Amino acid sequence: SYEMTQPPSLSVSPGQTASITCSGEKLGDKYVCWYLQKPGQSPVVVIYEDNKRPSGIPERFSGSNSGNTATLTISGTQALDEGDYYCQAWDSGTAHAVFGGGTKLTVL
Amino acid sequence: EVRLLESGGGLVQPGGSLRLSCAASGFTFRTYAMNWVRQAPGKGLEWVSGMTGSGGNIYHTDSVKGRFTISRDNSKNTLYLEMNNLRPEDTALYYCAKDAEVPAAWRFDSWGPGTQVIVSA
Repeated sequence: SYEMTQPPSLSVSPGQTASITCSGEKLGDKYVCWYLQKPGQSPVVVIYEDNKRPSGIPERFSGSNSGNTATLTISGTQALDEGDYYCQAWDSGTAHAVFGGGTKLTVL
Repeated sequence: EVRLLESGGGLVQPGGSLRLSCAASGFTFRTYAMNWVRQAPGKGLEWVSGMTGSGGNIYHTDSVKGRFTISRDNSKNTLYLEMNNLRPEDTALYYCAKDAEVPAAWRFDSWGPGTQVIVSA
């Protein structure tokens, strides 16, 4: 089965840049979506198709995907960006949607 | 406004069955693929099942194949998940999630609040 790996946690200071990685075999051949889940809430898309922002998502959120690694970058991180971030892709080989294990972002 | 509302969760003994429902509104339900995604307590997201708008394509993750069945009634704008032979490891919050595009892109732009399933003796 296809797997995607994320670091379990990341801490940044307010105003710094946070980079969250998601690794998988030939991940660059797939479209990656990133979700933010805050405590007690349902996930929300922050980046889709590797680097596109849904309406309402701040410009400080950006994404890239190449080779075996996709990266979510948050520039000028704010306290309200705290939460769990998940990468997700569709694996056509198994016809499964796959999530990474999630990264807990702390802004302190 | 897209709205998804899950129901049908509860406490069930191992080996038991449950049927989850997801009532949808605010979009043309029959044209969009729909999915179930679960989250065990304190754990990450896990995709469970998905099906296209017409029902012509149905997919399940390996751990639920043969036990769970996804279905939909487009006349009622409702998605279902029939869960049989439940195991303790199926304990989770089950989300209904709408696909973002037609045809399906298999990414999820709208989620319900979830319904809790607890499998325990």
